[in-house]
This record gives sequence, structure tokens and C-alpha cells, in this order.
Amino acid sequence: QVQLVESGGGVVQPGRSLRLSCAASGFTFSNYAIHWVRQAPGKGLEWVAVISYDGSSKYYAESVKGRFTFSRDNSKNTVYLQINSLRAEDTAVYYCARVQTRWELSDAFDIWGQGTMVTVSS
Amino acid sequence: DIQMTQSPSTLSASVGGRVTITCRASQSITGWLAWYQQKPGKAPKLLIYKASSLESGVPSRFSGSGSGTEFTLTISSLQPDDFATYYCQQYNTYSPTFGQGTKVEIK
Repeated sequence: QVQLVESGGGVVQPGRSLRLSCAASGFTFSNYAIHWVRQAPGKGLEWVAVISYDGSSKYYAESVKGRFTFSRDNSKNTVYLQINSLRAEDTAVYYCARVQTRWELSDAFDIWGQGTMVTVSS
Repeated sequence: DIQMTQSPSTLSASVGGRVTITCRASQSITGWLAWYQQKPGKAPKLLIYKASSLESGVPSRFSGSGSGTEFTLTISSLQPDDFATYYCQQYNTYSPTFGQGTKVEIK
């Protein structure tokens, strides 16, 4: 079964750090770029970051650049999103999503995880 | 960044009715557009990619059209399971962007 499963969310104080994980199964993980998309409570979808299939290319939304770091371990079929200097506006459900086409960095997202909630609050 | 503008933000429709949602890009994205359906508490689900290609397993009552800067999603005969929020997404660049969403409600 092709799936992505996020973990690592929780309630965190402003200024602290958090690492989210997204574990893949059911497909050849090392062939696909992975994106993170977040959704603040009651709001729309906001793209956060992408990492290429081999980890050599990464791009970030301006709103998170310098605070978020995206990495992957293809031996563990897992990507990681390190979030530093958390702000209230980072409060959201964070989804990881797979691109539809192997090797492509920019593509439609055909597989999504169930999401993990990050709440930034003192 | 390319801005995506959806209209309407909300629409009310009856079961069996025809629904059309429009998405406009701030610059040409050729055909690099996807549509997603999202239900409360759930992850988005891919419906349409490359503006008009139907994702596997998606009912044929869903269709997409358009190119350049103007795109539409049509649901030909609305079913109870279709009441949800719909998002367009451009993936012409390495920083994809989403429309603000269209909530389809029961009339």
C-alpha cells in the first residue's frame, strides 16, 4: 500500500524547535521528490518546501526560508523537516506529499500523508 | 510567486446539479495545473492534473479544462460525496502555489 505517514507534531513554545518526519512505504522512495504543505486552522493550503529525489535540490517558501531545513534519508525511506525559531504563525497541520512523476521536482501531488499538527503556543 | 485566484469562494448547489469552479493564474502556467478535493479533517485528494487529465480512480463526472492563465473544474452531476472544498494548484515553478479554495455546500 502506497502511503506517507507524518509524525513529530505537538505543542511547542515560541522560539523552540521541532523536527517532523514523513515515512514512506509501498513505492520506490528514492525515485520521488517530496513536498511539505501546511494548513493553518480554518485556512487554505500553503506550500512550504520541496526536496528532490536524491536530496541534492531543495526549495523553500519565503515565509520559512532560513528557519526550516528539509532533508531525506533514502536508506530509511524518510524525509525530515527541521523547524527552528517557531512562531505562532507556524501553527498548522503539516502534510508531506509525493510528486506524481518519478524524478520530477515540480509536479502534481498524488500521495499525501494524514498530516501532523504543530501548535506554537506559550 | 505566481498567484492563483479561485472563484467563487463558496457555492451552494443541489445534488444532481452542475458545478463550475474557476481558477486564474497571475501569469501563464501553460497546462501545469492540478485540482484537489479536501474534506474536513482529511488530506487533499488529487482529482485532475495537467489541467485536464483525470487521476486514476476519480469519477468521470469531474473534468478540467483551460490553459495559460484560466482554468475550470466542472462537476457534471453533483453527488452527496462531492460536498467539500476544492483547491487549484499551479506547478509551473519549483514553488507551487494554491488557490484560496472553493467550498461547495448543499443547497
